Amino acid sequence: DIQMTQSPSSLSASVGDRVTITCRASQSISGYLNWYQQKPGKAPKVLIYAASSLQSGVPSRFSGSGSGTDFTLTINTVQPEDFATYYCRQTYNTPWTFGQGTKVEIK
Amino acid sequence: QVQLQQWGAGLLKPSETLSLTCAVYGGSLSGQYWSWIRQPPGKGLEWIGEINHSGSTNYNPSLKSRVTISVDMSKNQFSLNLNSVTAADTAVYYCARRHWNYHILTGYYNYFDPWGQGTLVTVSS
Repeated sequence: DIQMTQSPSSLSASVGDRVTITCRASQSISGYLNWYQQKPGKAPKVLIYAASSLQSGVPSRFSGSGSGTDFTLTINTVQPEDFATYYCRQTYNTPWTFGQGTKVEIK
Repeated sequence: QVQLQQWGAGLLKPSETLSLTCAVYGGSLSGQYWSWIRQPPGKGLEWIGEINHSGSTNYNPSLKSRVTISVDMSKNQFSLNLNSVTAADTAVYYCARRHWNYHILTGYYNYFDPWGQGTLVTVSS
């Protein structure tokens, strides 16, 4: 199985800050990566696919980058509605695996 | 707009079988894979397995011996059975479509969307 490791596990940010979350794969997965946002009591929502493609309807302050084993999700000018938990997921091969999550909290 | 609605028993005793069903509205089962994903309380996401319209399945090896995913094209539904449950199987279970496509710039890509509303399944004696 491909292990996905996110860092940090949690972070505190103020509205307007720039937030960066990283995800590392245990082997090269090229650009086969998604990012999801999950709010309490809700199902996850896809933000980014193919490492850097923005899902339709997702605000442009979200962006993804990376290839191989190292990936980044950036939220430019974080908004109140962005406080949530974020997960990466490799789409290279089964079993599909997720990172352990990064909780973004209000400072 | 495809929507998923899921249902099933929320309280089980150890050794019983977990059964959940997910109905697909606004679209067909054809052409995509349909997954089950779970999330223990306060923890991360674990993919359980998936099926396509013809019944081809992929399972997580960690659960494969206890999992069966099936499809009912006539009802536009797919189902999850997980047998011999223990307290470790307590989780919110989600159904989701694994949407896949091809783009000349990115190649083949896939992602989970949409998702069902989730069902909390508690295993307790």
